[in-house]
Formats: sequence, C-alpha cells, structure tokens
Amino acid sequence: EVQLVESGGGLVQPGGSLRLSCAASGFTVSSNYMSWVRQAPGKGLEWVSVIYSGAGTYYADSVKGRFTISRDNSENTLYLQMNTLRPEDTAVYYCTRDATGPLYWGQGTLVTVSS
Amino acid sequence: DIQMTQSPSSLSASVGDRVTITCRASQDIRNDLGWYQQKPGKAPKRLIYAASSLQSGVPSRFRGSGSGTEFTLTISSLQPEDFASYYCLQHSSYPLTFGGGTKVEIK
Repeated sequence: EVQLVESGGGLVQPGGSLRLSCAASGFTVSSNYMSWVRQAPGKGLEWVSVIYSGAGTYYADSVKGRFTISRDNSENTLYLQMNTLRPEDTAVYYCTRDATGPLYWGQGTLVTVSS
Repeated sequence: DIQMTQSPSSLSASVGDRVTITCRASQDIRNDLGWYQQKPGKAPKRLIYAASSLQSGVPSRFRGSGSGTEFTLTISSLQPEDFASYYCLQHSSYPLTFGGGTKVEIK
C-alpha cells in the first residue's frame, strides 16, 4: 500500500527556514517523479516543485532560489528545504507521487510564517 | 507557463442534478489534464486522468471530456458525497498548473 507521511511543519518567523520531510512506503521514491503541492488557507492548490526519477528538479517561480527539493534514497524520503520564508508561503504542504500528474497524496503538513 | 481558467468558481446544486465544470488552457495541452476532488480538511483525490479516463474506484457518474484547450468535468447525477471542491490540473509541461477551483455546494 502506498503511504506518504509529511512532517516538519510549524510556525516560523519571516526570513526563517524550515525543512519538510515526506516518508514514503509501499514504493521507491527514487524510481518515481515526486512533487510538493501547497494550499494557502481557504485558497486553491499550487504546485511547488518536482524531483524526477533521474534527480533533475523544477520549481515554481514563486519559490525558485528559496526552496530546494531533494530525496534520501536510503531513507526512501522526500524533502523540501525552505529558506527565506515569507508570510505568503503559509500553507498546507502536500507531497505527492506523480503518475501523469499527482496521484498519491500525503495528509499534508501546515507551515505558518508569521512574526 | 500554461494558465488554466476554471469556471464557475462556485455553484449550488441539488442531489440528482447534472453538474458541469469547465477548464480552459492558455495553449494546447493535448489530453494532459486531470480532475481532482477535495473535501474540507482532506488531501485532493484524482478522479480523472488523461482528460477522460476514470481513475480506478471512482464512480461512473464522473465523466471527463475534451482535448487541446477545452475540458469538461460532468457529474451526471450529483450525490450527497459529491459536495466538495474540484480542480483541474495540466501536466503537459512544468510548472504544473491548477485551475482556480470550483466549490460545489448544496442548494
């Protein structure tokens, strides 16, 4: 059974950093395209970043240069390093396993950027 | 970047009604489109992939159609469990982009 469990969210001040983790089971992270998708409170869905099975990456313009997606193959875990956080980064962050777009989703982790 | 324009942003309907939601892409995306359902406090769930293919386990009252730049999600007979928000997503090219969403509410 495919499972994705995010962790690492919390309250952080503007300009701060946070690292999100997504522990996967039931499949191999490194063999799949994996994405992060976020949703600000009361708003729609926004795709954030992808890491390809070949380890290439792509980012939304809104996070480029501030966020870094990575994976640990030995831990079968996906990460999102978020630096220079802004209030507009406040959202629930979901990790997804992609198959012609996100198919499997975690339960999400809330990131709140506020002073 | 490809823009996805979804309409309406909300609608009110009754159980048994036929409901149609539309997404328009800013450029040709072939059939690289999915439809997602999201209930409050839950992660989205994919209903349709490749514009018109029903995801396993999804009821047949959900139907997707279209190609190129115009796409439609139709719910043939709205059920109580269908009251939710719906999003389209294009995966033709990165960055992936979602439509703005449609909230389906009870009339």
